[in-house]
Amino acid sequence: QSVLTQPPSVSGAPGQRVIISCTGSSSNIGAAYGVHWYHQLPGAAPTLLIHDNTERPSGVPDRFSASKSGTSASLAITGLQSDDEGYYYCHSYDSSLSASIFGGGTKVTVL
Amino acid sequence: EVQLVETGGGIVQPGGSLRLSCVASGFTIAGRWMHWVRQVPGKGLVWVSRIMSDGTWKDDAAFVKGRFTISRDNAKNILYLQMNSLSVEDTAVYYCAREAPTGGEALDLWGQGTLVTVSS
Repeated sequence: QSVLTQPPSVSGAPGQRVIISCTGSSSNIGAAYGVHWYHQLPGAAPTLLIHDNTERPSGVPDRFSASKSGTSASLAITGLQSDDEGYYYCHSYDSSLSASIFGGGTKVTVL
Repeated sequence: EVQLVETGGGIVQPGGSLRLSCVASGFTIAGRWMHWVRQVPGKGLVWVSRIMSDGTWKDDAAFVKGRFTISRDNAKNILYLQMNSLSVEDTAVYYCAREAPTGGEALDLWGQGTLVTVSS
């Protein structure tokens, strides 16, 4: 059971918008530690999608956006495409555990 | 090409040891914190360990303390993970990853991973 809670799966039709939540606590997201998001295709390594709550690395389309509020964060994908399928993980730091932590991952399916 | 390549994975018996290496190319690791993350096939990502850019400070997940040791050779551009007292629960793909320079532990470059299987 992960310290950061994500929904196991979300789905949407091509072109639609989906949102993935990441719920933490006062010792991680709520403690102002940055939240990062990764995309992972089966059999491949994760790639950084969003860093420090809202920042997109160069090369990441602006269809991907993220936000953070209180003890939760969320990733939004607009204009859903088949290439967006895969797993998405949130990542932060927890001061109680003194450790970097990942969410359990969310599988995105394009219908 | 900027990349990380892990080697050293394989099959080991419970109680055994392995040393993973992560060779960086296209950039120098000297200026970056580096991490190890593992993933049981079909499961989620789990942070393992991290090491400061000059190697003077390191930190580990609770489940590896005393068994795994992260280290680095900046001159050779290589990151290591020495794993001792392995158990079947340590079976996973091990990724090395580079921390972004933004200071928030985001991992902006990952290797392809190396599979460690602990089995008798």
